[in-house]
Amino acid sequence: RKEVEQDPGPFNVPEGATVAFNCTYSNSASQSFFWYRQDCRKEPKLLMSVYSSGNEDGRFTAQLNRASQYISLLIRDSKLSDSATYLCVSISNFGNEKLTFGTGTRLTIIP
Amino acid sequence: DAGVIQSPRHEVTEMGQEVTLRCKPISGHNSLFWYRQTMMRGLELLIYFNNNVPIDDSGMPEDRFSAKMPNASFSTLKIQPSEPRDSAVYFCASSFRAFGYTFGSGTRLTVV
Repeated sequence: RKEVEQDPGPFNVPEGATVAFNCTYSNSASQSFFWYRQDCRKEPKLLMSVYSSGNEDGRFTAQLNRASQYISLLIRDSKLSDSATYLCVSISNFGNEKLTFGTGTRLTIIP
Repeated sequence: DAGVIQSPRHEVTEMGQEVTLRCKPISGHNSLFWYRQTMMRGLELLIYFNNNVPIDDSGMPEDRFSAKMPNASFSTLKIQPSEPRDSAVYFCASSFRAFGYTFGSGTRLTVV
Protein backbone atom coordinates (compact mmCIF):
# COMPACT_ATOMS: atom_id res chain seq x y z
CA ARG A 1 0.00 0.00 0.00
CA LYS A 2 1.34 3.42 -0.93
CA GLU A 3 1.91 5.83 1.94
CA VAL A 4 -0.22 8.52 0.26
CA GLU A 5 -3.12 7.47 -1.94
CA GLN A 6 -5.26 9.50 -4.31
CA ASP A 7 -7.97 8.79 -6.84
CA PRO A 8 -6.12 9.29 -10.15
CA GLY A 9 -9.24 10.54 -11.90
CA PRO A 10 -9.60 11.99 -14.41
CA PHE A 11 -12.14 14.42 -13.11
CA ASN A 12 -13.86 16.28 -15.95
CA VAL A 13 -15.75 19.20 -14.48
CA PRO A 14 -17.68 22.04 -16.17
CA GLU A 15 -16.36 25.53 -15.70
CA GLY A 16 -17.86 27.22 -12.65
CA ALA A 17 -18.54 24.00 -10.79
CA THR A 18 -17.16 23.00 -7.41
CA VAL A 19 -14.85 20.01 -7.27
CA ALA A 20 -13.37 18.16 -4.30
CA PHE A 21 -10.49 15.71 -4.02
CA ASN A 22 -9.62 13.48 -1.13
CA CYS A 23 -6.33 11.87 -0.26
CA THR A 24 -5.58 9.29 2.43
CA TYR A 25 -2.32 8.66 4.23
CA SER A 26 -1.22 5.56 6.05
CA ASN A 27 1.52 6.87 8.33
CA SER A 28 -0.13 8.19 11.46
CA ALA A 29 3.16 9.89 12.37
CA SER A 30 2.90 12.19 9.38
CA GLN A 31 3.29 15.74 10.58
CA SER A 32 2.63 18.14 7.74
CA PHE A 33 0.63 18.05 4.54
CA PHE A 34 0.50 20.01 1.32
CA TRP A 35 -1.24 20.18 -2.00
CA TYR A 36 0.95 20.66 -5.05
CA ARG A 37 -0.16 21.42 -8.56
CA GLN A 38 1.57 20.06 -11.64
CA ASP A 39 0.82 21.26 -15.15
CA CYS A 40 1.47 19.03 -18.13
CA ARG A 41 5.21 18.58 -18.72
CA LYS A 42 6.08 20.99 -15.92
CA GLU A 43 7.45 20.66 -12.41
CA PRO A 44 5.23 20.42 -9.32
CA LYS A 45 4.55 23.70 -7.55
CA LEU A 46 3.22 24.31 -4.07
CA LEU A 47 -0.48 25.18 -4.10
CA MET A 48 -1.13 25.37 -0.36
CA SER A 49 -0.32 23.88 3.02
CA VAL A 50 -2.95 21.93 4.94
CA TYR A 51 -3.71 22.58 8.59
CA SER A 52 -5.96 20.77 11.04
CA SER A 53 -8.03 23.90 11.41
CA GLY A 54 -8.48 24.08 7.66
CA ASN A 55 -7.23 26.88 5.48
CA GLU A 56 -8.57 28.85 2.60
CA ASP A 57 -6.85 30.70 -0.21
CA GLY A 58 -9.31 32.38 -2.52
CA ARG A 59 -11.31 29.68 -4.28
CA PHE A 60 -9.27 26.89 -2.69
CA THR A 61 -9.96 25.27 0.68
CA ALA A 62 -7.81 22.55 2.24
CA GLN A 63 -8.75 20.43 5.22
CA LEU A 64 -7.00 17.80 7.32
CA ASN A 65 -8.78 15.08 9.27
CA ARG A 66 -6.22 13.35 11.48
CA ALA A 67 -8.71 10.91 13.01
CA SER A 68 -9.59 9.49 9.61
CA GLN A 69 -6.17 10.20 8.09
CA TYR A 70 -7.36 12.07 5.06
CA ILE A 71 -6.76 15.42 3.42
CA SER A 72 -9.16 17.23 1.15
CA LEU A 73 -8.98 20.01 -1.42
CA LEU A 74 -12.04 21.95 -2.52
CA ILE A 75 -12.02 24.21 -5.56
CA ARG A 76 -14.98 26.56 -5.95
CA ASP A 77 -16.04 28.35 -9.12
CA SER A 78 -13.55 26.34 -11.16
CA LYS A 79 -11.68 28.04 -14.00
CA LEU A 80 -10.21 26.62 -17.18
CA SER A 81 -6.78 27.46 -15.75
CA ASP A 82 -7.40 25.06 -12.86
CA SER A 83 -6.88 22.13 -15.24
CA ALA A 84 -3.82 20.30 -13.90
CA THR A 85 -2.77 17.34 -11.80
CA TYR A 86 -3.11 17.87 -8.06
CA LEU A 87 -0.64 16.06 -5.84
CA CYS A 88 -1.24 15.28 -2.18
CA VAL A 89 1.97 15.41 -0.15
CA SER A 90 3.03 14.50 3.39
CA ILE A 91 6.12 14.91 5.51
CA SER A 92 6.47 11.80 7.62
CA ASN A 93 8.64 12.77 10.54
CA PHE A 94 9.22 15.96 12.43
CA GLY A 95 12.51 17.47 11.29
CA ASN A 96 12.64 15.25 8.22
CA GLU A 97 12.25 17.25 5.07
CA LYS A 98 11.50 14.30 2.81
CA LEU A 99 8.20 14.82 1.00
CA THR A 100 6.09 11.79 0.07
CA PHE A 101 3.85 12.35 -2.94
CA GLY A 102 0.62 10.73 -3.97
CA THR A 103 0.34 9.78 -7.62
CA GLY A 104 -1.90 12.76 -8.29
CA THR A 105 -5.45 13.46 -9.41
CA ARG A 106 -5.94 14.79 -12.91
CA LEU A 107 -8.50 17.56 -13.26
CA THR A 108 -9.84 18.92 -16.53
CA ILE A 109 -12.18 21.90 -16.53
CA ILE A 110 -14.52 21.84 -19.48
CA PRO A 111 -15.72 25.11 -21.07
CA ASP B 1 16.57 34.14 -7.75
CA ALA B 2 17.05 31.82 -10.72
CA GLY B 3 15.41 28.90 -8.95
CA VAL B 4 16.63 25.31 -9.09
CA ILE B 5 18.51 24.78 -12.34
CA GLN B 6 18.72 21.39 -13.99
CA SER B 7 20.59 20.29 -17.07
CA PRO B 8 20.13 18.98 -19.61
CA ARG B 9 16.41 19.53 -20.20
CA HIS B 10 16.24 16.53 -22.50
CA GLU B 11 18.55 13.57 -22.92
CA VAL B 12 18.26 10.74 -25.39
CA THR B 13 20.83 7.99 -25.04
CA GLU B 14 21.42 4.43 -26.07
CA MET B 15 21.09 1.55 -23.67
CA GLY B 16 24.36 0.87 -21.89
CA GLN B 17 25.61 4.44 -22.04
CA GLU B 18 26.41 6.55 -18.99
CA VAL B 19 24.05 9.41 -18.24
CA THR B 20 24.81 12.34 -15.92
CA LEU B 21 22.11 14.72 -14.75
CA ARG B 22 23.05 17.98 -13.07
CA CYS B 23 21.40 20.24 -10.54
CA LYS B 24 22.15 23.63 -9.02
CA PRO B 25 19.98 24.27 -5.94
CA ILE B 26 18.73 27.63 -4.74
CA SER B 27 21.44 29.52 -2.88
CA GLY B 28 20.95 29.18 0.88
CA HIS B 29 18.92 26.00 0.68
CA ASN B 30 20.53 23.25 2.73
CA SER B 31 18.63 20.22 1.44
CA LEU B 32 18.58 18.73 -2.04
CA PHE B 33 16.39 15.98 -3.39
CA TRP B 34 16.38 13.86 -6.54
CA TYR B 35 12.99 12.52 -7.68
CA ARG B 36 11.98 10.35 -10.62
CA GLN B 37 8.52 10.62 -12.18
CA THR B 38 6.83 8.05 -14.40
CA MET B 39 3.21 7.59 -15.41
CA MET B 40 3.00 4.26 -13.62
CA ARG B 41 4.69 5.14 -10.32
CA GLY B 42 4.31 8.90 -9.98
CA LEU B 43 6.98 10.89 -8.14
CA GLU B 44 9.49 8.73 -6.28
CA LEU B 45 12.26 10.07 -4.05
CA LEU B 46 15.61 8.64 -5.10
CA ILE B 47 18.00 10.33 -2.66
CA TYR B 48 18.08 13.27 -0.26
CA PHE B 49 21.08 15.35 0.87
CA ASN B 50 21.26 17.65 3.85
CA ASN B 51 24.24 20.01 4.09
CA ASN B 52 25.83 18.07 1.22
CA VAL B 53 25.63 14.75 3.09
CA PRO B 54 23.43 11.92 1.77
CA ILE B 55 20.74 11.28 4.38
CA ASP B 56 18.41 8.80 2.71
CA ASP B 57 19.25 6.87 -0.44
CA SER B 58 16.73 4.09 0.09
CA GLY B 59 14.94 5.07 -3.09
CA MET B 60 17.93 4.58 -5.36
CA PRO B 61 16.83 1.68 -7.57
CA GLU B 62 20.08 -0.22 -7.77
CA ASP B 63 23.83 0.07 -8.02
CA ARG B 64 23.58 1.55 -11.49
CA PHE B 65 22.43 4.79 -9.89
CA SER B 66 24.74 7.07 -7.93
CA ALA B 67 24.46 10.65 -6.70
CA LYS B 68 26.97 13.14 -5.40
CA MET B 69 26.89 16.58 -3.89
CA PRO B 70 30.47 17.87 -3.80
CA ASN B 71 29.43 21.31 -2.56
CA ALA B 72 26.37 23.32 -1.61
CA SER B 73 25.75 24.56 -5.13
CA PHE B 74 25.99 21.44 -7.25
CA SER B 75 24.75 17.86 -7.41
CA THR B 76 24.85 15.07 -9.99
CA LEU B 77 22.81 11.95 -10.55
CA LYS B 78 24.56 9.33 -12.64
CA ILE B 79 23.18 6.21 -14.28
CA GLN B 80 25.70 3.70 -15.54
CA PRO B 81 24.86 1.66 -17.54
CA SER B 82 21.51 3.09 -18.55
CA GLU B 83 18.55 0.86 -19.45
CA PRO B 84 15.25 1.59 -21.25
CA ARG B 85 13.32 1.25 -17.96
CA ASP B 86 15.23 4.26 -16.65
CA SER B 87 13.31 6.47 -19.07
CA ALA B 88 11.48 9.05 -16.94
CA VAL B 89 11.51 12.68 -15.91
CA TYR B 90 14.10 13.33 -13.21
CA PHE B 91 13.46 16.28 -10.93
CA CYS B 92 15.82 17.97 -8.54
CA ALA B 93 14.37 20.01 -5.66
CA SER B 94 15.88 22.06 -2.87
CA SER B 95 14.58 23.43 0.41
CA PHE B 96 15.51 25.09 3.67
CA ARG B 97 13.98 23.17 6.59
CA ALA B 98 11.01 21.99 4.50
CA PHE B 99 10.11 25.56 3.63
CA GLY B 100 10.45 26.95 0.16
CA TYR B 101 10.56 23.46 -1.31
CA THR B 102 11.22 24.23 -4.99
CA PHE B 103 11.56 21.92 -7.97
CA GLY B 104 13.69 22.39 -11.04
CA SER B 105 12.18 22.06 -14.49
CA GLY B 106 13.32 18.45 -14.75
CA THR B 107 15.35 16.36 -17.17
CA ARG B 108 13.37 14.18 -19.55
CA LEU B 109 15.48 11.06 -20.09
CA THR B 110 14.83 8.61 -22.89
CA VAL B 111 16.94 5.47 -23.12
CA VAL B 112 16.56 3.63 -26.41
